[in-house]
Amino acid sequence: SAVISQKPSRDICQRGTSLTIQCQVDSQVTMMFWYRQQPGQSLTLIATANQGSEATYESGFVIDKFPISRPNLTFSTLTVSNMSPEDSSIYLCSVRTGQLNTEAFFGQGTRLTVV
Amino acid sequence: AQSVTQPDIHITVSEGASLELRCNYSYGATPYLFWYVQSPGQGLQLLLKYFSGDTLVQGIKGFEAEFKRSQSSFNLRKPSVHWSDAAEYFCAVGRGKTSYDKVIFGPGTSLSVIP
Repeated sequence: SAVISQKPSRDICQRGTSLTIQCQVDSQVTMMFWYRQQPGQSLTLIATANQGSEATYESGFVIDKFPISRPNLTFSTLTVSNMSPEDSSIYLCSVRTGQLNTEAFFGQGTRLTVV
Repeated sequence: AQSVTQPDIHITVSEGASLELRCNYSYGATPYLFWYVQSPGQGLQLLLKYFSGDTLVQGIKGFEAEFKRSQSSFNLRKPSVHWSDAAEYFCAVGRGKTSYDKVIFGPGTSLSVIP
């Protein structure tokens, strides 16, 4: 299993500003995944972050809007840039640990409100 | 690309009644399937997973799911629902079973339980 800590747990931000969300895992993992959960919606994968290389973004998400850092095997950040009210969501960090038969573990999420 | 559908957006059942939540997936290879539950204001919790072997999978909280390859389905069942089961349920599929493989979520089914 994995224990994932996210900071901040929630924030209210002004439109046009940026917020950086931190994700810390209690063990070394190869991949870290960032998801967005818009109000009343399911989880949508934003990107996959591999240590030492640029993140891989899903269709509809771009690096300029959601830059990601992955400086080591236990930590990652996601920045939501130039925010608008449409960015109000829960952002979740996830990892799959172990070699085989792994499920996805999630942090508690960051609840972002843009006003 | 893999995808997941959950035909029922919302289901209401009486406490003590049986429950079945439907899930259909689209994936060209062997799917790795999960059911997660998200209670209001809470994080995601894994109920059960299927990777291979017996197609009837037992999970936590009295839930089970049956994998049917011919129908591309992975329906979740519970024989007797408790009021505490009211939550959002997500079916998900993994491209693979390793820590490198992303997990894609279905749109979710909201479960309400009436006394």
